[in-house]
Amino acid sequence: KAGVTQTPRYLIKTRGQQVTLSCSPISGHRSVSWYQQTPGQGLQFLFEYFSETQRNKGNFPGRFSGRQFSNSRSEMNVSTLELGDSALYLCASSYDRSLNTEAFFGQGTRLTVV
Amino acid sequence: GNSVTQMEGPVTLSEEAFLTINCTYTATGYPSLFWYVQYPGEGLQLLLKATKADDKGSNKGFEATYRKETTSFHLEKGSVQVSDSAVYFCALSGETSGSRLTFGEGTQLTVNP
Repeated sequence: KAGVTQTPRYLIKTRGQQVTLSCSPISGHRSVSWYQQTPGQGLQFLFEYFSETQRNKGNFPGRFSGRQFSNSRSEMNVSTLELGDSALYLCASSYDRSLNTEAFFGQGTRLTVV
Repeated sequence: GNSVTQMEGPVTLSEEAFLTINCTYTATGYPSLFWYVQYPGEGLQLLLKATKADDKGSNKGFEATYRKETTSFHLEKGSVQVSDSAVYFCALSGETSGSRLTFGEGTQLTVNP
């Protein structure tokens, strides 16, 4: 079955702009989480969505937001982009929210802010 | 809160050498533990997992044992190959975390022929 699809793969934006990233989870998966990966900070959790509701949120400013649709697809938005937002943004799809559930990752969206 | 600490990298080995990457964690209760691998330009792939104390996860020659007494989940492989070159992440999912994962810093492994 198809894996996790993230679009676009690469983005270049200017400081002050906003950006929307998309994630289509594996069919049947209802949980979607987002992570930011940078060389300096590693992998940091942004938020988790399940059944269209945000269940967990990481320690990021309010410029970072997300949502999940009824078909489990998710988007994240970053407004007023800063240079420090340049990163690889990874989406992970899980069947549910149980402790043992396996997370499947997309290839990520590489965002560069100039 | 939950945290994961991995041994600092990078690690460089010759082909067929023995690999150990140390991982220790802090969490309340009984988390699930994972090792993920990231190849260049790609997302993360689950390598193995363990969901309770003394469980051993294994896959593709890699092994890790969930040690509650030492709060550790060290990754081992008896004979590495060039194709094992990648970044390895230790991670945990806490009892109240939902599907949220807490990751270690990652360890870059390079295997030379």
